Amino acid sequence: DAGITQSPRHKVTETGTPVTLRCHQTENHRYMYWYRQDPGHGLRLIHYSYGVKDTDKGEVSDGYSVSRSKTEDFLLTLESATSSQTSVYFCATGTSGENEQFFGPGTRLTVL
Amino acid sequence: GENVEQHPSTLSVQEGDSAVIKCTYSDSASNYFPWYKQELGKGPQLIIDIRSNVGEKKDQRIAVTLNKTAKHFSLHITETQPEDSAVYFCAASRGDSSYKLIFGSGTRLLVRP
Repeated sequence: DAGITQSPRHKVTETGTPVTLRCHQTENHRYMYWYRQDPGHGLRLIHYSYGVKDTDKGEVSDGYSVSRSKTEDFLLTLESATSSQTSVYFCATGTSGENEQFFGPGTRLTVL
Repeated sequence: GENVEQHPSTLSVQEGDSAVIKCTYSDSASNYFPWYKQELGKGPQLIIDIRSNVGEKKDQRIAVTLNKTAKHFSLHITETQPEDSAVYFCAASRGDSSYKLIFGSGTRLLVRP
């Protein structure tokens, strides 16, 4: 599992509140990714990082922001959570040029 | 935009039978095709992958085939066992950025004992 942890593992919050999810890796992988998983949609890329302080948008980035101040940590922030952001969020890491991605255990987020 | 279609969405087989899951991709520049297995409550785990310069790859009971001309790739599981029951995802690398993947919608495989 490439030493990836996610916190919290479960969270219930209310509409309009800010939420931050954390991904921590111990493998010194260059690339880090945030995905959301919803029934019928597989995994969709929210944001990704190709190095410290280097991030870019994925296909479903609206309403989300990210930060990467250290190689090992990648934070996903929902500035003002909405019910449509209820989902399971997965962090993944990847090494340079190898394409393989390794996934964390996921965070189940419920926005009421 | 680029997409990956995966079929079937659910598959039920008898233990010992074979299972085949198929995916089609749209980006002709895709060159990396991984398959992931996801068990209940866990993150996806890479089980096998193939690159565009290879037509087939095997690892014990699982194999993946790639037809670049038709933009198809498939996962084959032989001698299925109950522990093979899970959701399987295919993915393809994006042509404009090989370190990003586009995932199929998943196949729920049930192996009946």
